[in-house]
Amino acid sequence: QLQLQESGPGLVKPSETLSLACTVSGGSISSSSNHWGWIRQPPGKGLEWIGTVHYNGGSTYYNPSLKSRVTVSVDTSRNQFSLRLTSVTAADTAVYYCARMPGGLFDSWGQGTLVTVSS
Amino acid sequence: EIVLTQSPGTLSLSPGERATLSCRASQSVSNNQLVWYQQKPGQAPRLLIYGASTRATGIPDRFSGSGSGTDFTLTISRLEPEDFAVFYCQHDAIFGPGTKVDVK
Repeated sequence: QLQLQESGPGLVKPSETLSLACTVSGGSISSSSNHWGWIRQPPGKGLEWIGTVHYNGGSTYYNPSLKSRVTVSVDTSRNQFSLRLTSVTAADTAVYYCARMPGGLFDSWGQGTLVTVSS
Repeated sequence: EIVLTQSPGTLSLSPGERATLSCRASQSVSNNQLVWYQQKPGQAPRLLIYGASTRATGIPDRFSGSGSGTDFTLTISRLEPEDFAVFYCQHDAIFGPGTKVDVK
């Protein structure tokens, strides 16, 4: 059974860079033509897609509202994909989820990790 | 860019009752690629329905999806205690704002 697990700092200072990794277990990140994505959810609010990467790393897609600050990449040797979000502010405080994204839907999710932006 | 609107914002019902949730798109949804998720407090969303009407693996048949074009519906035929949650629709990486189904 495919499992995803987010990891990274739970506290990031304003103006710094948020970096998270998602480790995939129970299957290979490059075993099929899957995309892999990041979604976030501010406390008490709804879901917001951040970005998506193809398993070969050759194609990336970003939310236009975050595009200038976001990088999503894949490391097949570690069976991981990653998120970098630069110049964070308090508005970036959220639970960050990683997910598999076959065919435009999110079918397997990590448990989520809370990232707080505060000095 | 497509915008998804969900109604009602909150639905207060009792176990055993029928729940009808609406998702309306600002433009026609291509290939009826409309997806529904359920999210319980402190948990990640769970895939319920994709392609507007196909249940995901392991989803009970009391959950059903319907609709086409711009209007879609998620129906829970008889609410079980574990069904109370927030439900989101999604298309092309855009999520609706969610409908909370809580206990009356």
